[in-house]
Amino acid sequence: QSALTQPPSASGSPGQSVTISCTGTSSDVGGYNYVSWYQQHPGKAPKLMIYEVNKRPSGVPDRFSGSKSGNTASLTVSGLQAEDEADYYCSSYAGSNNFVVFGGGTKLTVL
Amino acid sequence: QVQLQESGPGLVKPSQTLSLTCTVSGGSISSGSYYWNWIRQPAGKGLEWIGRISTSGSTNYHPSLKSRVTISVDRTKDQFSLKLSSVTAADTAMYFCARWSTGVGTFDPWGQGTLVTVSS
Repeated sequence: QSALTQPPSASGSPGQSVTISCTGTSSDVGGYNYVSWYQQHPGKAPKLMIYEVNKRPSGVPDRFSGSKSGNTASLTVSGLQAEDEADYYCSSYAGSNNFVVFGGGTKLTVL
Repeated sequence: QVQLQESGPGLVKPSQTLSLTCTVSGGSISSGSYYWNWIRQPAGKGLEWIGRISTSGSTNYHPSLKSRVTISVDRTKDQFSLKLSSVTAADTAMYFCARWSTGVGTFDPWGQGTLVTVSS
């Protein structure tokens, strides 16, 4: 059982928007702004898409955005494209003892 | 830019010790405010953080694996290593190494991963 809770699946048609949630506790998501999102295509390593809740690394399309409210973080993918179909994982810093926790992952399907 | 590459045996027998090495290229393992991490992913499942080592050599491990894990660093070779003892089939997974940036709280970059199967 993962420390952060994500829906196992999400889907949307090309051009639509989809939002994936990531729920933790006040000891991780709610306590720090070090929430990140990673995209993983089959057989590949995870790729950083969002960091510090809502910042995008260079090269990540602005269709990807992040937010946080209380103990729940969210990733929104707007203008869905076929290449967005992948697994998405959230992570949060959880203090010096537990360090980092991950969500169980959400499989995003572009219909 | 910095790149990471995992290496090690792809098959380990039950009860033996899994040993993997991550080689850092394009930069020094000793520079910057980073931690060097091992993360694993069983087939079809999510990511699990295993442990980390700082550039000074201090380590932290996942509580559930702490008794079996050792992470070390060889600064002369820009490498860090993972040893996981007393392995079982439950340790079969893709193992990734990744750099953690303390300033922004991210795992980036990642190695491509190496599959380790525990089987007799």
